[in-house]
Amino acid sequence: DQQVKQNSPSLSVQEGRISILNCDYTNSMFDYFLWYKKYPAEGPTFLISISSIKDKNEDGRFTVFLNKSAKHLSLHIVPSQPGDSAVYFCAAGTQKLVFGQGTRLTINP
Amino acid sequence: NAGVTQTPKFRILKIGQSMTLQCTQDMNHNYMYWYRQDPGMGLKLIYYSVGAGITDKGEVPNGYNVSRSTTEDFPLRLELAAPSQTSVYFCASSYGRGEIGGYTFGSGTRLTVV
Repeated sequence: DQQVKQNSPSLSVQEGRISILNCDYTNSMFDYFLWYKKYPAEGPTFLISISSIKDKNEDGRFTVFLNKSAKHLSLHIVPSQPGDSAVYFCAAGTQKLVFGQGTRLTINP
Repeated sequence: NAGVTQTPKFRILKIGQSMTLQCTQDMNHNYMYWYRQDPGMGLKLIYYSVGAGITDKGEVPNGYNVSRSTTEDFPLRLELAAPSQTSVYFCASSYGRGEIGGYTFGSGTRLTVV
């Protein structure tokens, strides 16, 4: 039973445009949500988080949106850069995090 | 500041062998975790600890054991290795639940059981 789902295994975006990564969850008890970025042969690195009491959080080029009624989370990256090419994981938690399967983002020059 | 350090980085085990994956953190984080990542899949929680002397099972604990005798160290023990345990293992730590700054992950241990 997958509590956190990322339905797009991959996404390709042109450099300078907006990248939108999506994530759906089923457990209404989750009260915090995070996005991680992962390069090959490295551990995931924390990008941005949002509490369930908010619907938006920004950090530089990264913005996370939370729609609790739809149980949907998205990460916007604007503008996209070649160094953003990586696998992105969303995660949701109460006492501990549950991760989605990941979306491989490729930024094309 | 080393963060979370995992050893070894790579290991090949034969079926039935045992080994310990080491994890240490120098950030004085109270929470520590072990995850595994299979190809094309997300991270699955094996075990976690909210402090020294306290451990609890995650989603996929079978075939593994942990101990937390100090704040810094959280080793993962594999007994009687099986091919299904071929995976990349990540150790992580956080201050509290990690809702603000997230978890800090190690660089992983790639384990192959043959």
